[in-house]
Amino acid sequence: IQLTQSPSSLSASVGDRVTIACRASQGISNFLAWYQQKPGKAPNLLIYAASTLESGVPSRFSGSGSGTDFTLTISSLQPEDFATYYCQHLNSYPLTFGGGTKVEIK
Amino acid sequence: EVQLVESGGGLVQPGGSLRLSCAASGFSFSRDWMSWVRQAPGKGLEWVANIKEDGSEKNFVDSVKDRFTISRDNAKNSLYLQMNSLRVEDTAVYYCVRVGRWGSYRYWPDYWGQGTLVTVSS
Repeated sequence: IQLTQSPSSLSASVGDRVTIACRASQGISNFLAWYQQKPGKAPNLLIYAASTLESGVPSRFSGSGSGTDFTLTISSLQPEDFATYYCQHLNSYPLTFGGGTKVEIK
Repeated sequence: EVQLVESGGGLVQPGGSLRLSCAASGFSFSRDWMSWVRQAPGKGLEWVANIKEDGSEKNFVDSVKDRFTISRDNAKNSLYLQMNSLRVEDTAVYYCVRVGRWGSYRYWPDYWGQGTLVTVSS
């Protein structure tokens, strides 16, 4: 199963609403997670089961979707949100990741 | 506090071997699946392998099958990745990952170590 993220990068301002898409090459039910990674750091789990917010993650992050189309939304971008975001499916082996979306400061 | 500390990375020649270790603490290691995920320099994430709580099930990405072995020692709270016949394209930071968050009838990767760099070069 291949995961295609779009866009691969975006520029946004603090306070903007940001949406990142992840499309699976075949249906994966809701077996999708989202991670945030900052330079030089390990990824951090944000969302699992497509829409469940990980404990401690700010509520401005949300996930939606099922089947083949998924979305990560940041409702109001904060300075600490500038990072790269990855989706990963857990539907079947191999557990592939999307190519990543880099969110940069406008 | 969950902690995962990788070690064993370094420089190795193509065709060589390396064994990575991950020391786990702050949770019941024997109750969780564990994974290895890697990231080549400047590239995205790639799932490498995972192992069931008791070691009875192991899964690998095709590119490392027959070359890499994943194992664990629950008495030592440790995870391992034995890497043989290393290739230049195996160069990456290797992360140890706990798969411990339950939701939607399966476990999800939730804690990551800081990674250990493996460089395969002549």
